[in-house]
Amino acid sequence: EPEVTQTPSHQVTQMGQEVILRCVPISNHLYFYWYRQILGQKVEFLVSFYNNEISEKSEIFDDQFSVERPDGSNFTLKIRSTKLEDSAMYFCASKTGIDNSPLHFGNGTRLTVT
Amino acid sequence: AQSVTQPDIHITVSEGASLELRCNYSYGATPYLFWYVQSPGQGLQLLLKYFSGDTLVQGIKGFEAEFKRSQSSFNLRKPSVHWSDAAEYFCAVGAGAAGNKLTFGGGTRVLVKP
Repeated sequence: EPEVTQTPSHQVTQMGQEVILRCVPISNHLYFYWYRQILGQKVEFLVSFYNNEISEKSEIFDDQFSVERPDGSNFTLKIRSTKLEDSAMYFCASKTGIDNSPLHFGNGTRLTVT
Repeated sequence: AQSVTQPDIHITVSEGASLELRCNYSYGATPYLFWYVQSPGQGLQLLLKYFSGDTLVQGIKGFEAEFKRSQSSFNLRKPSVHWSDAAEYFCAVGAGAAGNKLTFGGGTRVLVKP
Protein backbone atom coordinates (compact mmCIF):
# COMPACT_ATOMS: atom_id res chain seq x y z
CA GLU A 1 0.00 0.00 0.00
CA PRO A 2 1.37 3.43 -0.90
CA GLU A 3 2.66 5.50 2.01
CA VAL A 4 3.50 9.06 2.88
CA THR A 5 7.22 9.19 3.59
CA GLN A 6 9.00 11.81 5.65
CA THR A 7 12.68 12.58 6.01
CA PRO A 8 14.59 12.84 8.21
CA SER A 9 13.01 10.92 11.06
CA HIS A 10 14.84 13.09 13.57
CA GLN A 11 16.37 16.52 13.07
CA VAL A 12 18.38 18.42 15.63
CA THR A 13 19.06 22.08 15.00
CA GLN A 14 20.24 25.11 16.89
CA MET A 15 17.94 27.98 17.73
CA GLY A 16 17.87 30.55 14.95
CA GLN A 17 18.80 28.10 12.22
CA GLU A 18 16.67 27.32 9.21
CA VAL A 19 15.30 23.82 8.87
CA ILE A 20 13.51 22.08 6.02
CA LEU A 21 11.35 19.05 6.65
CA ARG A 22 10.66 16.88 3.66
CA CYS A 23 7.69 14.78 2.68
CA VAL A 24 6.77 12.65 -0.29
CA PRO A 25 2.97 12.38 -0.39
CA ILE A 26 1.15 9.50 -2.02
CA SER A 27 1.48 9.96 -5.75
CA ASN A 28 -2.13 10.46 -6.86
CA HIS A 29 -3.06 12.66 -3.91
CA LEU A 30 -3.99 16.29 -4.41
CA TYR A 31 -4.26 17.77 -0.91
CA PHE A 32 -1.23 18.09 1.34
CA TYR A 33 -0.95 19.01 5.00
CA TRP A 34 1.43 19.64 7.83
CA TYR A 35 0.46 18.95 11.43
CA ARG A 36 2.59 19.09 14.53
CA GLN A 37 2.49 17.50 17.96
CA ILE A 38 4.40 19.10 20.78
CA LEU A 39 5.35 16.48 23.34
CA GLY A 40 2.40 15.70 25.58
CA GLN A 41 0.01 17.92 23.63
CA LYS A 42 -2.60 17.52 20.91
CA VAL A 43 -1.88 17.04 17.26
CA GLU A 44 -2.39 20.51 15.75
CA PHE A 45 -3.17 21.58 12.21
CA LEU A 46 -0.60 23.86 10.63
CA VAL A 47 -1.40 24.24 6.96
CA SER A 48 -3.18 22.71 4.00
CA PHE A 49 -2.00 23.00 0.40
CA TYR A 50 -3.90 22.40 -2.82
CA ASN A 51 -3.32 23.31 -6.44
CA ASN A 52 0.08 24.79 -5.63
CA GLU A 53 -1.13 27.21 -3.02
CA ILE A 54 -2.00 27.34 0.64
CA SER A 55 -5.71 26.69 1.09
CA GLU A 56 -5.82 27.18 4.86
CA LYS A 57 -3.41 27.87 7.68
CA SER A 58 -3.62 28.07 11.43
CA GLU A 59 -2.49 30.90 13.66
CA ILE A 60 0.58 28.82 14.45
CA PHE A 61 1.69 29.08 10.83
CA ASP A 62 3.23 32.53 10.99
CA ASP A 63 5.79 34.22 8.74
CA GLN A 64 8.51 31.91 10.02
CA PHE A 65 6.86 28.99 8.27
CA SER A 66 6.53 28.29 4.58
CA VAL A 67 5.57 25.34 2.43
CA GLU A 68 6.54 24.42 -1.06
CA ARG A 69 5.94 21.75 -3.61
CA PRO A 70 9.15 22.15 -5.61
CA ASP A 71 8.48 19.29 -8.01
CA GLY A 72 5.84 16.67 -8.69
CA SER A 73 6.67 14.53 -5.71
CA ASN A 74 8.02 16.49 -2.75
CA PHE A 75 6.25 18.71 -0.24
CA THR A 76 8.41 20.66 2.19
CA LEU A 77 7.95 22.66 5.35
CA LYS A 78 10.53 25.33 6.06
CA ILE A 79 11.05 27.07 9.36
CA ARG A 80 13.24 30.11 8.76
CA SER A 81 14.58 30.82 12.21
CA THR A 82 13.81 28.05 14.65
CA LYS A 83 12.80 28.69 18.25
CA LEU A 84 12.92 26.34 21.20
CA GLU A 85 9.14 26.08 21.11
CA ASP A 86 9.26 24.71 17.57
CA SER A 87 10.50 21.43 19.02
CA ALA A 88 7.80 18.92 18.14
CA MET A 89 6.90 15.98 15.95
CA TYR A 90 5.87 17.23 12.53
CA PHE A 91 3.51 15.09 10.49
CA CYS A 92 2.91 15.37 6.80
CA ALA A 93 -0.38 14.08 5.40
CA SER A 94 -2.05 13.81 2.03
CA LYS A 95 -5.43 12.86 0.60
CA THR A 96 -7.07 12.33 -2.74
CA GLY A 97 -9.36 14.87 -4.36
CA ILE A 98 -12.42 12.80 -3.50
CA ASP A 99 -14.69 14.33 -0.90
CA ASN A 100 -14.67 12.47 2.39
CA SER A 101 -11.45 10.60 1.65
CA PRO A 102 -9.30 10.26 4.76
CA LEU A 103 -5.91 11.82 5.42
CA HIS A 104 -2.92 9.51 5.20
CA PHE A 105 -0.13 10.46 7.58
CA GLY A 106 3.60 9.90 7.44
CA ASN A 107 5.61 8.63 10.40
CA GLY A 108 6.69 12.14 11.31
CA THR A 109 9.91 14.06 11.78
CA ARG A 110 10.93 14.77 15.32
CA LEU A 111 12.46 18.26 15.40
CA THR A 112 14.60 19.15 18.39
CA VAL A 113 15.71 22.77 18.70
CA THR A 114 18.57 23.34 21.14
CA ALA B 1 -15.04 26.28 15.98
CA GLN B 2 -14.92 22.53 16.23
CA SER B 3 -13.40 20.71 19.20
CA VAL B 4 -12.83 17.15 20.33
CA THR B 5 -12.61 15.84 23.88
CA GLN B 6 -11.23 12.50 24.91
CA PRO B 7 -11.97 12.33 28.63
CA ASP B 8 -9.65 9.44 29.42
CA ILE B 9 -5.93 10.17 29.22
CA HIS B 10 -4.89 6.63 30.14
CA ILE B 11 -6.73 3.32 30.11
CA THR B 12 -5.32 0.00 31.29
CA VAL B 13 -7.04 -3.14 30.11
CA SER B 14 -6.26 -6.84 30.41
CA GLU B 15 -5.52 -8.79 27.27
CA GLY B 16 -8.73 -10.39 26.05
CA ALA B 17 -10.95 -7.87 27.78
CA SER B 18 -13.16 -5.39 25.98
CA LEU B 19 -12.13 -1.81 25.36
CA GLU B 20 -14.12 1.36 24.93
CA LEU B 21 -12.56 4.76 24.29
CA ARG B 22 -14.71 7.82 24.63
CA CYS B 23 -14.83 10.75 22.25
CA ASN B 24 -17.08 13.79 22.33
CA TYR B 25 -17.06 16.44 19.66
CA SER B 26 -18.42 19.89 19.12
CA TYR B 27 -19.21 20.95 15.58
CA GLY B 28 -22.03 22.98 14.11
CA ALA B 29 -22.73 20.86 11.06
CA THR B 30 -22.70 17.18 10.21
CA PRO B 31 -19.26 16.04 11.28
CA TYR B 32 -16.75 13.88 9.56
CA LEU B 33 -15.33 11.73 12.36
CA PHE B 34 -12.18 9.66 12.50
CA TRP B 35 -10.20 7.46 14.83
CA TYR B 36 -6.45 7.20 14.37
CA VAL B 37 -3.95 5.03 16.23
CA GLN B 38 -0.33 5.91 16.90
CA SER B 39 2.09 3.20 17.96
CA PRO B 40 5.36 4.30 19.58
CA GLY B 41 7.64 5.93 17.04
CA GLN B 42 5.06 5.61 14.30
CA GLY B 43 2.75 7.91 12.44
CA LEU B 44 -1.01 8.13 12.65
CA GLN B 45 -2.84 5.19 11.13
CA LEU B 46 -6.51 5.49 10.25
CA LEU B 47 -8.68 2.96 12.09
CA LEU B 48 -12.07 4.02 10.80
CA LYS B 49 -14.16 6.95 9.67
CA TYR B 50 -17.74 8.14 9.70
CA PHE B 51 -19.28 10.47 7.14
CA SER B 52 -22.93 9.49 6.87
CA GLY B 53 -25.24 6.50 6.77
CA ASP B 54 -24.97 3.62 9.19
CA THR B 55 -23.98 5.01 12.58
CA LEU B 56 -22.01 1.87 13.50
CA VAL B 57 -18.82 1.76 11.48
CA GLN B 58 -16.34 -1.04 11.25
CA GLY B 59 -12.63 -0.44 10.99
CA ILE B 60 -9.39 -2.28 10.79
CA LYS B 61 -7.90 -4.49 13.51
CA GLY B 62 -11.35 -5.46 14.82
CA PHE B 63 -12.32 -1.95 15.95
CA GLU B 64 -15.73 -0.37 15.58
CA ALA B 65 -17.21 2.99 16.52
CA GLU B 66 -20.70 4.28 16.96
CA PHE B 67 -21.83 7.78 16.06
CA LYS B 68 -24.48 9.15 18.40
CA ARG B 69 -25.64 12.57 17.28
CA SER B 70 -27.81 13.12 20.37
CA GLN B 71 -24.76 12.67 22.60
CA SER B 72 -22.22 14.24 20.23
CA SER B 73 -20.15 11.12 20.71
CA PHE B 74 -18.13 8.76 18.59
CA ASN B 75 -16.84 6.07 20.94
CA LEU B 76 -14.40 3.43 19.80
CA ARG B 77 -14.78 -0.20 20.87
CA LYS B 78 -13.06 -3.51 20.54
CA PRO B 79 -14.53 -6.70 22.04
CA SER B 80 -11.23 -8.39 22.88
CA VAL B 81 -7.93 -6.53 22.99
CA HIS B 82 -4.59 -7.94 22.01
CA TRP B 83 -1.22 -6.89 23.42
CA SER B 84 -0.47 -5.26 20.07
CA ASP B 85 -3.33 -2.81 20.64
CA ALA B 86 -1.23 -0.93 23.18
CA ALA B 87 -0.88 2.50 21.59
CA GLU B 88 -2.28 6.00 21.68
CA TYR B 89 -5.66 6.57 20.10
CA PHE B 90 -6.83 9.86 18.68
CA CYS B 91 -10.34 10.91 17.79
CA ALA B 92 -10.65 13.69 15.20
CA VAL B 93 -13.36 15.74 13.55
CA GLY B 94 -13.02 17.01 10.01
CA ALA B 95 -14.24 20.42 8.99
CA GLY B 96 -14.05 22.72 6.03
CA ALA B 97 -14.31 21.67 2.43
CA ALA B 98 -14.55 17.90 2.19
CA GLY B 99 -13.55 17.57 5.82
CA ASN B 100 -10.04 18.61 4.99
CA LYS B 101 -8.95 20.16 8.24
CA LEU B 102 -8.80 17.77 11.16
CA THR B 103 -9.13 18.80 14.78
CA PHE B 104 -7.77 16.17 17.12
CA GLY B 105 -8.60 15.21 20.66
CA GLY B 106 -5.88 14.93 23.23
CA GLY B 107 -5.53 11.19 22.80
CA THR B 108 -6.02 8.18 25.05
CA ARG B 109 -3.06 5.98 25.83
CA VAL B 110 -4.00 2.33 26.12
CA LEU B 111 -1.89 -0.07 28.16
CA VAL B 112 -2.55 -3.79 27.84
CA LYS B 113 -1.82 -6.08 30.79
CA PRO B 114 -0.96 -9.71 30.12
